[in-house]
Amino acid sequence: GENVEQHPSTLSVQEGDSAVIKCTYSDSASNYFPWYKQELGKGPQLIIDIRSNVGEKKDQRIAVTLNKTAKHFSLHITETQPEDSAVYFCAPNTGFQKLVFGTGTRLLVSP
Amino acid sequence: NAGVTQTPKFQVLKTGQSMTLQCAQDMNHEYMSWYRQDPGMGLRLIHYSVGAGITDQGEVPNGYNVSRSTTEDFPLRLLSAAPSQTSVYFCASSYADKDYEQYFGPGTRLTVT
Repeated sequence: GENVEQHPSTLSVQEGDSAVIKCTYSDSASNYFPWYKQELGKGPQLIIDIRSNVGEKKDQRIAVTLNKTAKHFSLHITETQPEDSAVYFCAPNTGFQKLVFGTGTRLLVSP
Repeated sequence: NAGVTQTPKFQVLKTGQSMTLQCAQDMNHEYMSWYRQDPGMGLRLIHYSVGAGITDQGEVPNGYNVSRSTTEDFPLRLLSAAPSQTSVYFCASSYADKDYEQYFGPGTRLTVT
C-alpha cells in the first residue's frame, strides 16, 4: 500500500512569510495529489490539488508543485496570514476512494 | 445544501457497548467513507462505499460494520466498543469521477472508558 510522509510535522512562521510543506509517497501509480486544510474542531477541506500530468498549479496565495520522478509534492503558501493556521494533510491517491493521508503538518502563523 | 452531517457530535461509551454513528449527505455523491483520526496518525480509512448496496474495507476495519441502503446514508456501527476505538470519526463523500475531492463532515468525538 501507499506510504505517505509529511515534513515538517510542525511549522511556525511570522505573518507575511512563506511556508512550504513537503509530502513524499511510495506508490508510483498515484495520479492525484490533493492538499487538505483542517481547522480546529472541523473536518478537513480540500484546498488545492494537482494531477500527475501537471508540474505546478497556483491558486492565489497557495500553490502545489509535483515531482513524479522523485515521488514528492509540496504545498507552498505565500504571504501567510493568521487564518492560515491549521493542520495540513496531503493525500496522494490512485482513485476509488483509496486516499491515504499523511500524518499532517501543524502550521502556526504568528501576527 | 447541508453537505455532510454527522450525529452525534460527542459520545461516551463503556467498554463492550455498541452504538451507531450516523452520516448523511445531500449532494447525491456516489462515494462515502469513514475515517478515524488519532493524534499523530493522520486520518485512516475504516470502510468505504462506492454506491448503495456496495461496501468495502479500508485500512482499519476491525471492530466496525457498515451498510449502505440508500445513496444518502452511511452509518458506522461499533459492535463492542473498546478503549482503542477512542478517536474522532469523520464521514466523507465525493462524486465517483472526483474521488480525490472529498467533502468531510464535522466529526464525532468518541470516548470509550
